[in-house]
Amino acid sequence: SQQGEEDPQALSIQEGENATMNCSYKTSINNLQWYRQNSGRGLVHLILIRSNEREKHSGRLRVTLDTSKKSSSLLITASRAADTASYFCATARGYTDKLIFGTGTRLQVFP
Amino acid sequence: DVKVTQSSRYLVKRTGEKVFLECVQDMDHENMFWYRQDPGLGLRLIYFSYDVKMKEKGDIPEGYSVSREKKERFSLILESASTNQTSMYLCASTLSGEETQYFGPGTRLLVL
Repeated sequence: SQQGEEDPQALSIQEGENATMNCSYKTSINNLQWYRQNSGRGLVHLILIRSNEREKHSGRLRVTLDTSKKSSSLLITASRAADTASYFCATARGYTDKLIFGTGTRLQVFP
Repeated sequence: DVKVTQSSRYLVKRTGEKVFLECVQDMDHENMFWYRQDPGLGLRLIYFSYDVKMKEKGDIPEGYSVSREKKERFSLILESASTNQTSMYLCASTLSGEETQYFGPGTRLLVL
């Protein structure tokens, strides 16, 4: 069954604006990861946040995790046209290395 | 840099054909995974392998089998391709105990 659900399904913004996408999940997790997929390509890992962390930063990316609400958000600041891609959250329930992916948010950044 | 390669970017097959999708990683990763990706459904795990000759079913193994004879290579087999197996297939690998998965570029399979 699908663990993660992203919201919104699609997002269109102008360059320079911030983009926020959200992920909700259903069961307890060990960590939550965000991946990016350019059109027709494989996924690339962006950032991982553990269940005992609340916020994490990497460059223009900021991820928050609220385990009480079973939700996470990914913020991309000062977006660029090159950020146009689909973004997926993925959760790991334990140490089995298996990930469960959400349905993704399609981000379009207009120059 | 980790490199995961898949044998084909695009593949067109006929219903009933046996289809082999190959995945090779060059970083001595123990774990390898096969996913299929469909619009609105995200990525779904088909099979995974924790070591040579080991395999475990994922969420949607029906109609598929896998082979892992060498550590670097993980093959996905469609025994008798059907039109509902038209999809994007993604391979991934990771070191045992590491959480980040490294993905190949994907194979877009069309079954006619």
